[in-house]
Amino acid sequence: ETGVTQTPRHLVMGMTNKKSLKCEQHLGHNAMYWYKQSAKKPLELMFVYNFKEQTENNSVPSRFSPECPNSSHLFLHLHTLQPEDSALYLCASSQDGDRGGNQPQHFGDGTRLSIL
Amino acid sequence: AQSVAQPEDQVNVAEGNPLTVKCTYSVSGNPYLFWYVQYPNRGLQFLLKYITGDNLVKGSYGFEAEFNKSQTSFHLKKPSALVSDSALYFCAVFLGTGGFKTIFGAGTRLFVKA
Repeated sequence: ETGVTQTPRHLVMGMTNKKSLKCEQHLGHNAMYWYKQSAKKPLELMFVYNFKEQTENNSVPSRFSPECPNSSHLFLHLHTLQPEDSALYLCASSQDGDRGGNQPQHFGDGTRLSIL
Repeated sequence: AQSVAQPEDQVNVAEGNPLTVKCTYSVSGNPYLFWYVQYPNRGLQFLLKYITGDNLVKGSYGFEAEFNKSQTSFHLKKPSALVSDSALYFCAVFLGTGGFKTIFGAGTRLFVKA
C-alpha cells in the first residue's frame, strides 16, 4: 500500500470515447504528477500540480486534460485518443510544498490504457 | 542539456553475488539524486536518495548507492543479490533550474538467477 490509489487499473477504449483516470493520495502531500510509461521508453512527465495549481505541462497534446480539484485528487480526462497513447499512466505525489525537490515521489500502481 | 543516463538495459547476476546498476547524470548545480524500483504490474517505489553529505547512502532492502561528483555518477549497489531483487530500476535527478521537476533514466532491468 503506497498511499496513492489509481482507478481504474485497466481501461480499454475506442478512439472516439471519453473517459477519465482518477488518482487519490492519502499522504497529505502538496504536489501531484501524471506520468506516461511506454515500453522501452523513459518515463515521460506529463503534468505537475503544486497546491492545486498546474506548474508543469510537458507539451502534452490537448486530448489529455488534467484536473486537480484539491491536493488529494487528480484526474486525467481523455478524449479522441490515438493508438500511440496506449501505455501505463502513473500518478505520483510528493511533499513539495516548498518546491525543494528533495522529497521522493510516491507512485500509484497505474492505469493500463489500451486504445482500440 | 540536463539528463540522466542508465547505460545498461539489463544486468544479469547470480544470487548471492554483488550487483551494480549504473547511473550517470548531467545537471547544473548540485544534484538531488534518487533510485526507484518497479516490480511487475506495480508503480515505482522509492529506494534511496542523495541530497548532501556522506557520499554513500543506504536505502531500503539492503541497497546502497555511491555519489561520485567527479565522475557524475550515482551507481546502485547491493552486496548480495536475491532472486526477489529482479525488477526494473530507475535512476532520477531533480532539476532545480529550468523547471522544478524530476527526470528519470530509461531504466535497467535486473535479473537475478538462482
